[in-house]
Amino acid sequence: EPEVTQTPSHQVTQMGQEVILRCVPISNHLYFYWYRQILGQKVEFLVSFYNNEISEKSEIFDDQFSVERPDGSNFTLKIRSTKLEDSAMYFCASSGSGVSSYEQYFGPGTRLTVT
Amino acid sequence: GESVGLHLPTLSVQEGDNSIINCAYSNSASDYFIWYKQESGKGPQFIIDIRSNMDKRQGQRVTVLLNKTVKHLSLQIAATQPGDSAVYFCAEVDNAGNMLTFGGGTRLMVKP
Repeated sequence: EPEVTQTPSHQVTQMGQEVILRCVPISNHLYFYWYRQILGQKVEFLVSFYNNEISEKSEIFDDQFSVERPDGSNFTLKIRSTKLEDSAMYFCASSGSGVSSYEQYFGPGTRLTVT
Repeated sequence: GESVGLHLPTLSVQEGDNSIINCAYSNSASDYFIWYKQESGKGPQFIIDIRSNMDKRQGQRVTVLLNKTVKHLSLQIAATQPGDSAVYFCAEVDNAGNMLTFGGGTRLMVKP
């Protein structure tokens, strides 16, 4: 069964450093998303991406964040200058087209630890 | 998953019993709702969905009920198994179909 994959599974970085989290969505999906889950809190929406542009973003997704689909398979989330409060699990998700666009399938997540 | 540590309501059931997990949602204009299961160390896993023009939908061993009057969703799991132990989240989809808003989650523990 097709699945969303994410790398790395765990990323440790120092405050102020840039990190790039990588995702490979399901191959025929057209919509891509990033969510995060801070320890002890709910899963929160960050951004959605369609047709090579951001379609929606939350207040969390400020100028420190960016997304990119550099090729036909990868979808990345970049945090330019990490802060301690960016420590969380980051989940990538993807969905298909039409009615299936509502069905978002999640990857296993990347645990980001900022020290 | 990072749900560990969440101060979650917990439902403890005996293997073979039926489970009912409840969720209240906030946006009366939401058009679509999804239940997700999150096991420890994994991402949310799609279980079942329902559109706002329905009040019930059945899957394999699972049923979702939607009560729009009181903005309430429930997930019923028949013949609960140890493998069903996880945290369950409901999520509502915004009208543009882009953003999931997750509820706080319920931890289901199945006793063998």
